[in-house]
Amino acid sequence: DTGVSQDPRHKITKRGQNVTFRCDPISEHNRLYWYRQTLGQGPEFLTYFQNEAQLEKSRLLSDRFSAERPKGSFSTLEIQRTEQGDSAMYLCASSFEGGITDTQYFGPGTRLTVL
Amino acid sequence: RKEVEQDPGPFNVPEGATVAFNCTYSNSASQSFFWYRQDCRKEPKLLMSVYSSGNEDGRFTAQLNRASQYISLLIRDSKLSDSATYLCVVNPSSGDKLTFGTGTRLAVRP
Repeated sequence: DTGVSQDPRHKITKRGQNVTFRCDPISEHNRLYWYRQTLGQGPEFLTYFQNEAQLEKSRLLSDRFSAERPKGSFSTLEIQRTEQGDSAMYLCASSFEGGITDTQYFGPGTRLTVL
Repeated sequence: RKEVEQDPGPFNVPEGATVAFNCTYSNSASQSFFWYRQDCRKEPKLLMSVYSSGNEDGRFTAQLNRASQYISLLIRDSKLSDSATYLCVVNPSSGDKLTFGTGTRLAVRP
């Protein structure tokens, strides 16, 4: 499968714990995006990378959230001291900037439940 | 005002019906427009891009009115498999973050 992959698919944690999610983009894609989706809402932008550079962060990304893309390939999203309000689907997407199309392709998401 | 607004529905239609979804956006400088489809507990998948001249893909027709900042999606001859949430999506500039509406839920009944 050459699409975007995310790991884990589901994560249940207790409030106050740290969690880390991984995203592997489509191999030739240089842009990688993180979004968050709660029930009944569309996805909301969190942050994105061009290669290894983090170009923009949403105000939704509090100090407890950090994202990295150290080698310009896979990315990790860490949430420290999780809160119940962090429960959501975390979606990763990738695209190729500079080609004919910059369509963003989404991974299957990581569903986080904070108890 | 939300950046992208959609009627959340649900739209309940019989098989074979024609159904239309509408969407408005607030950023007049937006450059790219899309409809994504999202099945229950799955990721969004691109259904089609939307162009000013209008575009058609089989039973699906999308239109953009830049002056009114309005996007539409028409589904003809609805199938049971069309049941999903349809997300209106706006991209302020090429390669930029996507801004999603809340989605319109469609349920096609036999």
